[in-house]
Amino acid sequence: SQKIEQNSEALNIQEGKTATLTCNYTNYSPAYLQWYRQDPGRGPVFLLLIRENEKEKRKERLKVTFDTTLKQSLFHITASQPADSATYLCALVLWSSASKIIFGSGTRLSIRP
Amino acid sequence: DVKVTQSSRYLVKRTGEKVFLECVQDMDHENMFWYRQDPGLGLRLIYFSYDVKMKEKGDIPEGYSVSREKKERFSLILESASTNQTSMYLCASSFRDRYQPQHFGDGTRLSIL
Repeated sequence: SQKIEQNSEALNIQEGKTATLTCNYTNYSPAYLQWYRQDPGRGPVFLLLIRENEKEKRKERLKVTFDTTLKQSLFHITASQPADSATYLCALVLWSSASKIIFGSGTRLSIRP
Repeated sequence: DVKVTQSSRYLVKRTGEKVFLECVQDMDHENMFWYRQDPGLGLRLIYFSYDVKMKEKGDIPEGYSVSREKKERFSLILESASTNQTSMYLCASSFRDRYQPQHFGDGTRLSIL
């Protein structure tokens, strides 16, 4: 069966450390993988996109890796801050569909001061 | 900045009622989407539209219909509301290309009593 899993429902990190979130998928052929941030009571906000032929992408304190052999993406926030506390969603954009994307259920990240 | 506006943040309706959720975007996006978000289940696609008057079923279309008479507006209709449709409903829009991110509204929390 097809699955996309973010294997930590919640993650608690000390401020200043690097937070690493994991997204695994099975039986999908993604063209791209996206990461979104969602704050309580708000809609998701797009953060980063990585293509299937890219290994790594960076944006300020954010880094995303994409390993199509392992079928896994890692999302890193370096020098984490309490303001980074939110739920983070990964999403697959499939070759087989022009518009649909498949979302994971998210990891709730808490950064304690 | 892209703005996706959902007509209500909170809505309470009774079982059997016909319910309309409205969504408007201001960026001339071709694609529009309706999701529901439930704890532990993530974002699930109900319907999407890639052009005016065009629609495709998502993963959970049963009990819902949609309407897109104008490019900027996408409506979700619950034909006869039931208690299992109590959820957070999120609208999103994007440009047509598959790698384009989706832009979300802040959601409508719908309670069916």
